[in-house]
Amino acid sequence: EVQLVESGGGLIQPGGSLRLSCAVSGFTVSNDYMTWVRQAPGKGLEWVSIIYSGGSTYYADSVKGRFTISRDNSKNTLYLQMNSLRAEDTAVYYCAREISSSQGYYYYAMDVWGQGTTVTVSS
Amino acid sequence: QSALTQPASVSGSPGQSITISCSGTSSDVGGYNYVSWYQQHPGKAPKLMIYDVSNRPSGVSNRFSGSKSGNTASLTISGLQAEDEADYYCSSYTSSSTLVVFGGGTKLTVL
Repeated sequence: EVQLVESGGGLIQPGGSLRLSCAVSGFTVSNDYMTWVRQAPGKGLEWVSIIYSGGSTYYADSVKGRFTISRDNSKNTLYLQMNSLRAEDTAVYYCAREISSSQGYYYYAMDVWGQGTTVTVSS
Repeated sequence: QSALTQPASVSGSPGQSITISCSGTSSDVGGYNYVSWYQQHPGKAPKLMIYDVSNRPSGVSNRFSGSKSGNTASLTISGLQAEDEADYYCSSYTSSSTLVVFGGGTKLTVL
């Protein structure tokens, strides 16, 4: 069964760091494009970051230079390292897999989502 | 302010059809066919309903359909059912430094 399970969220003070994990089962994390999306309380979805199967990474302007997406192929796990956290980073963070065709074409759409992990940045 | 513009709310009666619009620019919706739509029930993770403007993932009802004209994409839900009541988000690939943008979301109420 294809499944994503996030962990690592919690309460952190402004300026602090946190690493989110997304344990993948049912497929190989390094073979697909993987994305982080967040949702602030009562707000809409916000795209955060993507890592391509080839390893290239991209970030939203709001987190560029502070967040780092990575993966551990041996653990089949996706990560999001978050540094210099701000109050506005408070959100539920979802990891998601990008949908692809049988020919390996990607559509920048996410067909498998985790349940989310909550990050609260507050003093 | 979200990069893509959606109406804050729409409503319809069971059995009716509704359409949710998603307005962007030539740098996102108008320039690429990477438009997708998500359904989100309260407290749940989003669910992909439409990708590549009009394609449905396996398992999604054919009551859901997508289209695009110029810089505006649309999601149509026909034969409204009570379980369709949820928030709906559009998203698009963008040529800006932020690779993907979402709309602000539309709350669908089934009367």
